[in-house]
Amino acid sequence: DAKTTQPTSMDCAEGRAANLPCNHSTISGNEYVYWYRQIHSQGPQYIIHGLKNNETNEMASLIITEDRKSSTLILPHATLRDTAVYYCIVANTGNQFYFGTGTSLTVIP
Amino acid sequence: NAGVMQNPRHLVRRRGQEARLRCSPMKGHSHVYWYRQLPEEGLKFMVYLQKENIIDESGMPKERFSAEFPKEGPSILRIQQVVRGDSAAYFCASSPPGFVNTEAFFGQGTRLTVV
Repeated sequence: DAKTTQPTSMDCAEGRAANLPCNHSTISGNEYVYWYRQIHSQGPQYIIHGLKNNETNEMASLIITEDRKSSTLILPHATLRDTAVYYCIVANTGNQFYFGTGTSLTVIP
Repeated sequence: NAGVMQNPRHLVRRRGQEARLRCSPMKGHSHVYWYRQLPEEGLKFMVYLQKENIIDESGMPKERFSAEFPKEGPSILRIQQVVRGDSAAYFCASSPPGFVNTEAFFGQGTRLTVV
């Protein structure tokens, strides 16, 4: 059952920042926010995850609101290869994820 | 460090046959998860295993499907008497020991086609 809400699709110009929002208003205190993406029909690729602090790695930044009811994944300089379906997932123990339908991001040249 | 390896990448079976899908987790990973993705849909959790134990099989169909992760060798997802509706991409993921704050890494999937 869906614990997150994401827009169905988004466009982003190449070279610009892509900001992908996610609502998870029913998140509980011990649940993490994970982001994965799936390019075409490949296996999902891990991007980033966090609990309550903002996180950054070589791929992206994750901004989690103070009340933890929503978050934003930021791809700082989108490239054509970032075109994919992006999944926001909340989970606690283990990695039994519910993927939902995600956001289909199209990076436009 | 090789990633999660799944084989075969593509599998064609006739209705009524058995399908065996294999997953070798990343080195050092002791948790394995199987997911199924029907065309145009998101991934659906099927089963979570640790070595020689099924931890959570809440997403597994009650009949014809089984999974194992033996002490030695890969994890196996077995589908008996396949039907056309079993046609899908099956993904395996693995994660290191520990229940929280770990990320799972996915293989490239096995695409099963039932004809």
